[in-house]
Amino acid sequence: EVVLTQSPGTLSLSPGEMATLSCRASQSLSSIYVAWYQHKPGQAPKFLIYGASTRATGIPDRFSANGSGTDFTLTISRLEPDDFAMYYCQHYGDSPLYAFGQGTRLEIK
Amino acid sequence: QVQLVQSGAEVKKPGASVKVSCKASSYTFANHYIHWVRQAPGQGLEWMGWISAYNGNTNYAQKLQGRVTMTRDTSTSTVYMELSSLRSEDTAVYYCARGSVTMGAYWGQGALVTVSS
Repeated sequence: EVVLTQSPGTLSLSPGEMATLSCRASQSLSSIYVAWYQHKPGQAPKFLIYGASTRATGIPDRFSANGSGTDFTLTISRLEPDDFAMYYCQHYGDSPLYAFGQGTRLEIK
Repeated sequence: QVQLVQSGAEVKKPGASVKVSCKASSYTFANHYIHWVRQAPGQGLEWMGWISAYNGNTNYAQKLQGRVTMTRDTSTSTVYMELSSLRSEDTAVYYCARGSVTMGAYWGQGALVTVSS
């Protein structure tokens, strides 16, 4: 069974800085099935990235992602106040069919 | 624009069932899957299952097998998620989302289900 482990649990940064969020899988993943979401309290999750590195429609290029195998990364350059939120990686596979990481909280320092 | 509008908050007693609806609009309903994802207080996102709006086929998370049922009504472009034998751990915000291998960009606004005696 695939387990997605995100690190760090909490990342404290200031606006203008760069954030690097990690998603590590317990076994090698197919990159085309890796996605990232942003989630704020009281709102629905926001679709950011699919296919491990492709930005969803309307997502600014400050958001970038890459990875392969067991290691995937979401990078947010030049943090803006609106970027501070929870971030989740997600994979579609066999077991389980869909898995989310436990999330990384990006908070204002 | 694509919209998924969910039913409102519910309060249920342990052992009861809850049925949450998700009404789709502004796209061809039958062309997409609808996922259900929940978030318990202080917890992360949990995938519950999906239903094909085309033929009603379903696939449920193993953890919820036997307690969750997803159905759809093509005449009203509405998907339903029913969860039975509710426990306090089922207290969560329940989201529907239009997607396939990902949950995609279109989500409902969420529906809070509180299980309390």
